[in-house]
Amino acid sequence: SQKIEQNSEALNIQEGKTATLTCNYTNYSPAYLQWYRQDPGRGPVFLLLIRENEKEKRKERLKVTFDTTLKQSLFHITASQPADSATYLCALLNTGGFKTIFGAGTRLFVKA
Amino acid sequence: DADVTQTPRNRITKTGKRIMLECSQTKGHDRMYWYRQDPGLGLRLIYYSFDVKDINKGEISDGYSVSRQAQAKFSLSLESAIPNQTALYFCATSDSTGVYNEQFFGPGTRLTVL
Repeated sequence: SQKIEQNSEALNIQEGKTATLTCNYTNYSPAYLQWYRQDPGRGPVFLLLIRENEKEKRKERLKVTFDTTLKQSLFHITASQPADSATYLCALLNTGGFKTIFGAGTRLFVKA
Repeated sequence: DADVTQTPRNRITKTGKRIMLECSQTKGHDRMYWYRQDPGLGLRLIYYSFDVKDINKGEISDGYSVSRQAQAKFSLSLESAIPNQTALYFCATSDSTGVYNEQFFGPGTRLTVL
């Protein structure tokens, strides 16, 4: 069956450092991969999308890589800030974008 | 005002009761979704609708039903609630013509079934 794995353990880093979160998947060939941010008690908010034919995508302090051979995406937040503390979810989409599978998310804590 | 709203925000009910969760959106999107979120399991798709006449089962539809009353409204019903339906429920919308296929989520409904 299709499976997405994100590190279930929380990631603790110091302010100013780069946070790197991992998303691995199996038994799926996504056309797109997305990253969302979720704050406690709130719905997820879309951050970035990367397509299967793209290796890297950047948006401000965020960078996403997508390796379809390794079946892995890495999500980087550079110069991290305490306000970046949240849970980050990766999501895989099929062609047409209507079948989305979400990972369980990784909790990030950035200490001042 | 929020683009995607859910009512109620919190609900405590008893086993066997019928419950309806409602979702409304002002984004003009054609696609709407219902998910449940459980700790450690992430978001799981219950039902999705591409338009008013198109409703599809998701990964975990057993025990749930939906109604798309209008393009802007999508409700989720639990005909006879059971304790393992205790979870955080999210409604989401997306635009089939959108560039990023992103989904826009409501604030969630926390449902507890005793």
